[in-house]
Amino acid sequence: DVKVTQSSRYLVKRTGEKVFLECVQDMDHENMFWYRQDPGLGLRLIYFSYDVKMKEKGDIPEGYSVSREKKERFSLILESASTNQTSMYLCASMLMNTEAFFGQGTRLTVV
Amino acid sequence: QKEVEQNSGPLSVPEGAIASLNCTYSDRGSQSFFWYRQYSGKSPELIMFIYSNGDKEDGRFTAQLNKASQYVSLLIRDSQPSDSATYLCAVKEPGRRALTFGSGTRLQVQP
Repeated sequence: DVKVTQSSRYLVKRTGEKVFLECVQDMDHENMFWYRQDPGLGLRLIYFSYDVKMKEKGDIPEGYSVSREKKERFSLILESASTNQTSMYLCASMLMNTEAFFGQGTRLTVV
Repeated sequence: QKEVEQNSGPLSVPEGAIASLNCTYSDRGSQSFFWYRQYSGKSPELIMFIYSNGDKEDGRFTAQLNKASQYVSLLIRDSQPSDSATYLCAVKEPGRRALTFGSGTRLQVQP
């Protein structure tokens, strides 16, 4: 079974903090993604990576950055957390043209 | 303009009935289509994928694809209360590595 693991299930951070969300997959997938999910807005793509050290902006990259130093690990960084970044964050991995496998999600609250 | 459209619902059906969930997409070149189920507070899990026009059946689930009309649907036969969830339609658009998701349809199966 494909396993995508996110480092935290719930996270509470203060405004202005630097926040790291970690994601690890065990299926040697080249593509990894970070989405955020908000009520009524569905899943929105923040960033994705198609290889080690390669990254591209998704639809809503502002306020975020990413890092992929190893193929299995993809990190999302909130440089200075703000309350409007309170959301459910979902990491996914996939091969080209196949289904995406999701981690369990991180519910981030910024206070 | 949203590329993948779904009725947000809720769609309410009685136990044992057929639930019909619909999704339209805008990019005519899209090749792969996926249905995910998401329980409240959980991450999306793949139910079915379909690549070719027509029907694809898997147990109580049938995915239907009509590329000429640019819609894909999911039928759930003999609906159970445990099917109550949000169903996300996802499309693999050409030239885009990530899947594009609809906002989801919330299904309620009444016992």
